[in-house]
Amino acid sequence: GEDVEQSLFLSVREGDSSVINCTYTDSSSTYLYWYKQEPGAGLQLLTYIFSNMDMKQDQRLTVLLNKKDKHLSLRIADTQTGDSAIYFCAESVWGSGGGADGLTFGKGTHLIIQP
Amino acid sequence: NAGVTQTPKFQVLKTGQSMTLQCAQDMNHEYMSWYRQDPGMGLRLIHYSVGAGITDQGEVPNGYNVSRSTTEDFPLRLLSAAPSQTSVYFCASRMTGGLSNTEAFFGQGTRLTVV
Repeated sequence: GEDVEQSLFLSVREGDSSVINCTYTDSSSTYLYWYKQEPGAGLQLLTYIFSNMDMKQDQRLTVLLNKKDKHLSLRIADTQTGDSAIYFCAESVWGSGGGADGLTFGKGTHLIIQP
Repeated sequence: NAGVTQTPKFQVLKTGQSMTLQCAQDMNHEYMSWYRQDPGMGLRLIHYSVGAGITDQGEVPNGYNVSRSTTEDFPLRLLSAAPSQTSVYFCASRMTGGLSNTEAFFGQGTRLTVV
């Protein structure tokens, strides 16, 4: 079965780097995603990584994937107050995972920015 | 291009009432799904559909019905509302990707309170 785990809260100082971690159990995951949810809004895709990649960088965002340990991380450089949100890790498992081509989400990590 | 549209944004129901949450997408996506979001529980899949005329149950289907008569619309019906159904409901759509990456697009959510 599929299970995606994240810590519920992360607090960082403005200007520091934030690292949000996620572990998953299904080794047949094809894509892994990071979604961002701002207060009162729906989820928006931040970035994703294909399971045969180790790293993906996109401006201030760096995604690292350790497939052996089934560990995914999202690093946000120079964290700003606008980064305050809930960040969801999700995996896509072809043919399973909440149904055909479904996504399985973690519970979300609340990123809290301290001035 | 409106994306995924959910109505209403807010709703208060009395226990035992029924109602339908509407979801429409204009991206010709095959896959649509309904999630509920509760504090500390993350997103849980209620029902999903892989195309018109096809629906299936997710993780927490009890108390909810769905239908998919068109590609665009995927309404969620609460048959007899209960306080345990107080939640924020999200509709999402995506192309069925198989082994290809496909982004899930989310509506803005419906905040439902059952008293």
